Amino acid sequence: EPEVTQTPSHQVTQMGQEVILRCVPISNHLYFYWYRQILGQKVEFLVSFYNNEISEKSEIFDDQFSVERPDGSNFTLKIRSTKLEDSAMYFCASRDPVEDILYGYTFGSGTRLTVV
Amino acid sequence: SQELEQSPQSLIVQEGKNLTINCTSSKTLYGLYWYKQKYGEGLIFLMMLQKGGEEKSHEKITAKLDEKKQQSSLHITASQPSHAGIYLCGADSRGSNYKLTFGKGTLLTVNP
Repeated sequence: EPEVTQTPSHQVTQMGQEVILRCVPISNHLYFYWYRQILGQKVEFLVSFYNNEISEKSEIFDDQFSVERPDGSNFTLKIRSTKLEDSAMYFCASRDPVEDILYGYTFGSGTRLTVV
Repeated sequence: SQELEQSPQSLIVQEGKNLTINCTSSKTLYGLYWYKQKYGEGLIFLMMLQKGGEEKSHEKITAKLDEKKQQSSLHITASQPSHAGIYLCGADSRGSNYKLTFGKGTLLTVNP
């Protein structure tokens, strides 16, 4: 079964530093997403991406955040100047609407970001 | 925006017992997804329901969609320790963009 791959699995960073979280979505998927989950809280939508542009973003996704699909396989989330409250598990997901019934939105294993 | 209410928030059952988790939406449900999450890990897709009255099963897990009540239920028969985890329901938003909105989850503990 195809997988969404996220790297790194853990990242510790100093407050104010930039971080880039990386994702390799499933190759034939066209819809990409980033979600985050603060410890003990629910999984929250950050941004969706389709046809090389952002299709929707949440209130959380402010100017400190950006996404990019630099080549045909990677999908990245950049946080420009990290804050303590950015500490969370970040999940990448991809989707093929035709396969929704079989696989749903396919999530990666996540990157645990700790800002110190 | 769409809100999903899951109940109960947590559940402790003895191995072999049946259990039900509910998910109620504040808006019309177009697609309802069930996921399982182990603590600190990714989301594993269980099943997706689209039509009112639809019922799906995977091994000992059955999910139903009641479109009129804007509700879905997940039922586990003869629970096992391997069923332990956090169960999340997610609803597909419709309109110009698609995204999943999740409930807060139900933490299931199965005691041997």
